[in-house]
Amino acid sequence: GDSVTQMEGPVTLSEEAFLTINCTYTATGYPSLFWYVQYPGEGLQLLLKATKADDKGSNKGFEATYRKETTSFHLEKGSVQVSDSAVYFCALKVGTGGFKTIFGAGTRLFVKA
Amino acid sequence: NAGVMQNPRHLVRRRGQEARLRCSPMKGHSHVYWYRQLPEEGLKFMVYLQKENIIDESGMPKERFSAEFPKEGPSILRIQQVVRGDSAAYFCASSPDVLSEEQYFGPGTRLTVT
Repeated sequence: GDSVTQMEGPVTLSEEAFLTINCTYTATGYPSLFWYVQYPGEGLQLLLKATKADDKGSNKGFEATYRKETTSFHLEKGSVQVSDSAVYFCALKVGTGGFKTIFGAGTRLFVKA
Repeated sequence: NAGVMQNPRHLVRRRGQEARLRCSPMKGHSHVYWYRQLPEEGLKFMVYLQKENIIDESGMPKERFSAEFPKEGPSILRIQQVVRGDSAAYFCASSPDVLSEEQYFGPGTRLTVT
C-alpha cells in the first residue's frame, strides 16, 4: 500500500545551520507530495507541495524537489531560525478525488539560539 | 475568513463515557476529514465525509466510533464508551471540492480518558 517514511527525530540544530529532513514514499500511482508543519499546540499547516516529478515546492525558505527516480521528497532549508522549531510531516495523496492523505510519522526539529 | 474550527480544544472523559468532537469546516468547504494523532506519532486517517455522506471510513475502528456531517451544522466525531487507548489528538481538515490538493486543518481536540 501507499506509505511515507521520514527520518526519525528529534533533529537539533543551531540557528543558521542547514536543515535536511529525509522523506521517501511508496505509491501505486502518481502521487502529489506535501510537507506540513505543526507548531506546538496547533494543527497542521501546509508548508509546500509538488504535484509531479521534478517539481520543486518552496515556501518561507524551505524547499523540496519531487524525485521520482529515488521516490524522495527531502525537505531543506539553508539557514534555520529558532522559530522553525516544530514537527514536520511528509505526506502524499494519490490522484484527485479528495481522498485521504497518507502522513509520515513526523520529525521534530529543535533550533537552538 | 475563519479557518477550520474545532471544539472543544480539550476534553476529559472517564472510561465508559461518550466523547463528542465537533468540526466546523472553512466557509465554502463541503469535504471534511478526521485524523487521529497518538502521542509522538503521525496522523492516521479515520474518515472522509461530504455533506450527509460518508465517502471513506476505512480508518475508523469498527466499534464505538461514528462520524456524521449533516446538511446543517458541524461534523461530529462520536466515540462511545471511551477507553484509555482513545486518548489522542483528533484533527479535522476540510477542502473546498473533490479536486482540491490541499486540506486545511483545525487546531485539534485533545481527548484524555482517565
